[in-house]
Amino acid sequence: GAVVSQHPSRVICKSGTSVKIECRSLDFQATTMFWYRQFPKQSLMLMATSNEGSKATYEQGVEKDKFLINHASLTLSTLTVTSAHPEDSSFYICSASPGTSIPDTQYFGPGTRLTVL
Amino acid sequence: QQPVQSPQAVILREGEDAVINCSSSKALYSVHWYRQKHGEAPVFLMILLKGGEQKGHEKISASFNEKKQQSSLYLTASQLSYSGTYFCGTVQGKSTFGDGTTLTVKP
Repeated sequence: GAVVSQHPSRVICKSGTSVKIECRSLDFQATTMFWYRQFPKQSLMLMATSNEGSKATYEQGVEKDKFLINHASLTLSTLTVTSAHPEDSSFYICSASPGTSIPDTQYFGPGTRLTVL
Repeated sequence: QQPVQSPQAVILREGEDAVINCSSSKALYSVHWYRQKHGEAPVFLMILLKGGEQKGHEKISASFNEKKQQSSLYLTASQLSYSGTYFCGTVQGKSTFGDGTTLTVKP
């Protein structure tokens, strides 16, 4: 149980294009989903926290208009990188929390490696 | 506030033990441990909620001290598959992770 999928796993795009990344909880309902960015050999950097049906809470320094997050249902959240530039190249990881009697448990998706040319 | 992990890196031989520490200047509501292999997403290991709690499965266990300011991850009789980067994390208002401890197990 507790499987989270992410799609696509890898994307290469040209500068200026937008990229959408999907995060799905396959066998549980995720009351909260988190989006992270990770640079090589570094820790996970939280970008935003989203709850189903409400606006995402972005971390300081993360541009809301550039990284659009939609949490449309209890099993799906999307991250859209708008007008991507080479500096947006990174490993993006989502996680989902079932919000059950064990709080804070996060199950991670496999990640999406974005390369912007 | 980001938890502080130590050591930054550990190199072991198969069968040896390791301890990874995670500390905070303030009491944490909970602490959770993850392992990440190169190029992959983190995998949840366990979560500790109560001061004084100890938890484990197989040869990997963890403790949470009474003040809930320090947690340690214990890896005993390490196997090659234990290699990876271990992160501790907490969610207090927002999710934060330590900088990670890279564990390398050699034959």
